[in-house]
Order: sequence, then C-alpha cells, then structure tokens
Amino acid sequence: DGGITQSPKYLFRKEGQNVTLSCEQNLNHDAMYWYRQDPGQGLRLIYYSQIVNDFQKGDIAEGYSVSREKKESFPLTVTSAQKNPTAFYLCASSHWDSHNYGYTFGSGTRLTVV
Amino acid sequence: GNSVTQMEGPVTLSEEAFLTINCTYTATGYPSLFWYVQYPGEGLQLLLKATKADDKGSNKGFEATYRKETTSFHLEKGSVQVPDSAVYFCALRASGGSYIPTFGRGTSLIVHP
Repeated sequence: DGGITQSPKYLFRKEGQNVTLSCEQNLNHDAMYWYRQDPGQGLRLIYYSQIVNDFQKGDIAEGYSVSREKKESFPLTVTSAQKNPTAFYLCASSHWDSHNYGYTFGSGTRLTVV
Repeated sequence: GNSVTQMEGPVTLSEEAFLTINCTYTATGYPSLFWYVQYPGEGLQLLLKATKADDKGSNKGFEATYRKETTSFHLEKGSVQVPDSAVYFCALRASGGSYIPTFGRGTSLIVHP
C-alpha cells in the first residue's frame, strides 16, 4: 500500500545536538511538506518542496534545514540553533493536483529535548 | 491572504448527540475545502473534501457542504460515538498558483459514553 513513512516515532535530543527526522513516500507525489505541532496548537509550516533539489522556507524555518535529493525523500534536520525543538513533527505530501486529492500525512515523530 | 477559522474547542458531547463544528474561510477564487481528523498521537487523515460550490463531502457518517455564499464548510454528524473523539482540522487549497494548504487551528471533540 502507498503511503508516507516517518521515522523514528520517538526521538530524544540532547542540548546542542543536530537530529534528522526521516520522511519517505511511495505515492509518487511531487510536493512534500514539514509541519510542527505543539500541544493544543495547530500546524505550522517549516519547509516545503515542489520538485527535487528545490525547497522553500515556510513560516518557522529558523533552526531547521531540509534536502530533497530524491522525489521520495524529504528529511528534516533540527539543528542546535532551534532553541525549543520539543514538538510533534508531521510530514505530508501531495500530488500536483492537490486541488482534487488533498494531502497525505505521515504518522509523525515526537521529538523531546533531554 | 487565505485563512481558515474554526470554532474553539473542546466540544464535549454525549454519545448519539448531533455534532456541528463550524468552519469559515477567506480565499479568492474557488478553493478546495477539506476536513482532516487527528487521533491522539497520530498524523492527520483526510476525512472528506469538496472541490466546488454546493458540493457535499461525506465519509463515515460525517458530512460538510461547500457554501460559497457564506464561505463556510461546517462539519456535521447525526450521531457521534466515543471513537469519534479526536481533533478535527478544516483546511483549504486555494485555486490558482499556490498549492500550500491553509489549516484551521483544529477543534477537539470529546464524546462521553
């Protein structure tokens, strides 16, 4: 079955460390997105990418970095510059025709600073 | 810019009660509208969608009608059950160039036995 796989499900980061969250899709979707969700809050867009080797900053890109070397993969690195990284991170993807088909989400990665 | 406004939660209901979660939007043109559901600790799942005015999306007993005259897409269910307890997000995908979705803040639904 096609879908989006996020790993790991839980991740612990020490102060000053960079960590990378994985996001892989086998839906042949063109666009991919990263969102951050804090308790009781909505979704905030971190980065998005429409095509391979191209991506744009979202509303809260500071302290994060991404790459899009393959259509299927869109990993997110949370750098030490992100001062409050504890949150639930969601990856999503969409067909170019998201107008009709909407967006598909992964099951999320919960990141905790220890 | 585009925006989605949802009613504040939590919405607390007894089993078999009628559910309405209000959603209004601001967008130019003819956006597509979506409802997503998020169960605890999980990602968002597409619940239903409507792509043009007067369309009714429906799934699992939930319904929403795209009302362009009132710029609304209210979610309804005739008889909620305990497993419906979740957070519900209204979203739009604008017509035209931008493919980035706009989400509401989410509305938590709690259903008691």
